[in-house]
Amino acid sequence: GQQLNQSPQSMFIQEGEDVSMNCTSSSIFNTWLWYKQEPGEGPVLLIALYKAGELTSNGRLTAQFGITRKDSFLNISASIPSDVGIYFCAGPPIGGGANNLFFGTGTRLTVIP
Amino acid sequence: NAGVTQTPKFRVLKTGQSMTLLCAQDMNHEYMYWYRQDPGMGLRLIHYSVGEGTTAKGEVPDGYNVSRLKKQNFLLGLESAAPSQTSVYFCASSFVTIEQFFGPGTRLTVL
Repeated sequence: GQQLNQSPQSMFIQEGEDVSMNCTSSSIFNTWLWYKQEPGEGPVLLIALYKAGELTSNGRLTAQFGITRKDSFLNISASIPSDVGIYFCAGPPIGGGANNLFFGTGTRLTVIP
Repeated sequence: NAGVTQTPKFRVLKTGQSMTLLCAQDMNHEYMYWYRQDPGMGLRLIHYSVGEGTTAKGEVPDGYNVSRLKKQNFLLGLESAAPSQTSVYFCASSFVTIEQFFGPGTRLTVL
């Protein structure tokens, strides 16, 4: 199957700090999605990106679709305790079926008050 | 709007038993999906459906069957459960776009 590598695997940060994480693939993607999953819950869609170079914000979250179409980045500014969770990148690789998402292994974020 | 709901929330099975997981959505979405999530891994697609009466295999379909008799429901069946099927199962749905909305999950343990 497709490999989506996320880094870092986990992060421990102080409240108020900014966070950066990324997702890379060996395949080209036409769409990148970023999801957040809290304990005991299903993933919740944060941001969707549809073209190379696109930069999209959702509140304190900003995500970018990499120019090579093989990577994407998520930034969280001024982190707060409720940002705790696992952040997943996902996308349908070209030729993999239009709606078939492959997920990264996630970045686990812990925010220390 | 309940969104995507899943029943049951938890289940324990013995090896060889069968069960059906139910997913329901009230958003009139065409597409529905079943994923499994194992510790330290992302979600992997088991089966999906692009409309009522259709089903297709995803990345890890072996040992599972699905049915989509009604647009709002998508059933996932395990005919003979194995310990390797211990996992958390998530259902999702979407319009004819890639943005999928997930249910709360079913935690299944096979002894």
